[in-house]
Amino acid sequence: EVQLVESGGGLVQPGGSLRLSCVASGFTFSRYAMSWVRQAPGKGLEWVSGISGSGSSAYYADSMKERFTISRDNSKNTLYLQMDSLRAEDSAVYYCAKDPLRLINTFDIWGQGTLVTVSS
Amino acid sequence: QSALTQPASVSGSPGQSITISCTGASSDIGYYNYVSWYQQHPGKAPKLMIYDVSKRPSGVSSRFSGSKSGNTASLTISGLQAEDEGDYHCSSYTTSGTLVFGGGTKLTVL
Repeated sequence: EVQLVESGGGLVQPGGSLRLSCVASGFTFSRYAMSWVRQAPGKGLEWVSGISGSGSSAYYADSMKERFTISRDNSKNTLYLQMDSLRAEDSAVYYCAKDPLRLINTFDIWGQGTLVTVSS
Repeated sequence: QSALTQPASVSGSPGQSITISCTGASSDIGYYNYVSWYQQHPGKAPKLMIYDVSKRPSGVSSRFSGSKSGNTASLTISGLQAEDEGDYHCSSYTTSGTLVFGGGTKLTVL
């Protein structure tokens, strides 16, 4: 079964850091680009960052470019998102998603999401 | 990059057809044929319904169709069913090399 399972969310104070993980199974992880997409409570989806299958190319939404770092370990079938200098507005459910076609394009498989809450 | 514009809500009766619009700019929807649509039920992850403007993934009902004209993409659902109720999100690749989503549309089946 093709599956993505996120972890690492939780409560963090403003200015703090958090690292999210996403473990993939059921497909050849290294062949596909991956992205992180977030959704604040009651709001729409927001693309955060994407990375190529090899990990050599990474892209970010402007508002997160200086604070977030996407990476992957293909030997562990795992995608990461390092989030630093967190703000209240970063509070959201964070999903990892698989791109079947091309980098940062469309997402056919999504994880169940992990909740990040930034609050003092 | 500004978010794509979707109506906040649409509604329809079972059996009817509805269309959800998604308006962007010449730097996203108007430039690429890389528009996707996602269905999301409460508390669940999004599900891909349409990609590359009008292509349906395997397993998605033919009642769902997509199109594009200029800077506006549309999702049409024909033969509306109760299970279609939920939120629908559009997205487009942009000339900045990023992805932009719409604000989401809540579909109510009356």
